Amino acid sequence: GEDVEQSLFLSVREGDSSVINCTYTDSSSTYLYWYKQEPGAGLQLLTYIFSNMDMKQDQRLTVLLNKKDKHLSLRIADTQTGDSAIYFCAELQNTDKLIFGTGTRLQVFP
Amino acid sequence: EAGVAQSPRYKIIEKRQSVAFWCNPISGHATLYWYQQILGQGPKLLIQFQNNGVVDDSQLPKDRFSAERLKGVDSTLKIQPAKLEDSAVYLCASSLDQVAGWGASTEAFFGQGTRLTVV
Repeated sequence: GEDVEQSLFLSVREGDSSVINCTYTDSSSTYLYWYKQEPGAGLQLLTYIFSNMDMKQDQRLTVLLNKKDKHLSLRIADTQTGDSAIYFCAELQNTDKLIFGTGTRLQVFP
Repeated sequence: EAGVAQSPRYKIIEKRQSVAFWCNPISGHATLYWYQQILGQGPKLLIQFQNNGVVDDSQLPKDRFSAERLKGVDSTLKIQPAKLEDSAVYLCASSLDQVAGWGASTEAFFGQGTRLTVV
């Protein structure tokens, strides 16, 4: 099917690492993205990875890509309460269509 | 730099009525997107414009939805007539160009969205 799948919820303690997982659908997707959505706000691009890479680090964020399994993950180090939001992965398919995942709600508690 | 502007922020209408949403992209952005985000789901692409031409509208329910991008700048999305299942947040986004907009050199910027409730 066309669904980009994510687990619905993740709860972590402040200071711990968070790992959000995503399984995408199109093995020929060129770019994969992570977006953050806070309540009442639009989508904010956090980071992206090109399909010929398997890892990208950007400050507290680490993206891992397993093309064989079509699996993408986002690790947030030292998670803060301000990281509480919904996180969407998205794939740019080779038709230039951008497909979003179902979203993972991250809750950070003190 | 001003962001993507959308109006109205909220709209409540009865089923079978018509509604229109407006989007003003960031100045100079060639690509404009409309997404529908139903509560609890990820955004779904409805239509994608490059300047004033349609690039992709494969998921736009054309029997009731229409969109245009006047002079390659502002865009309107219309629903006529609305159904209960159209209740969602409608997001507009823009980027400098189509491919690079989603990739390394530029990003797509989203507006705050219009929350539509059909009763």
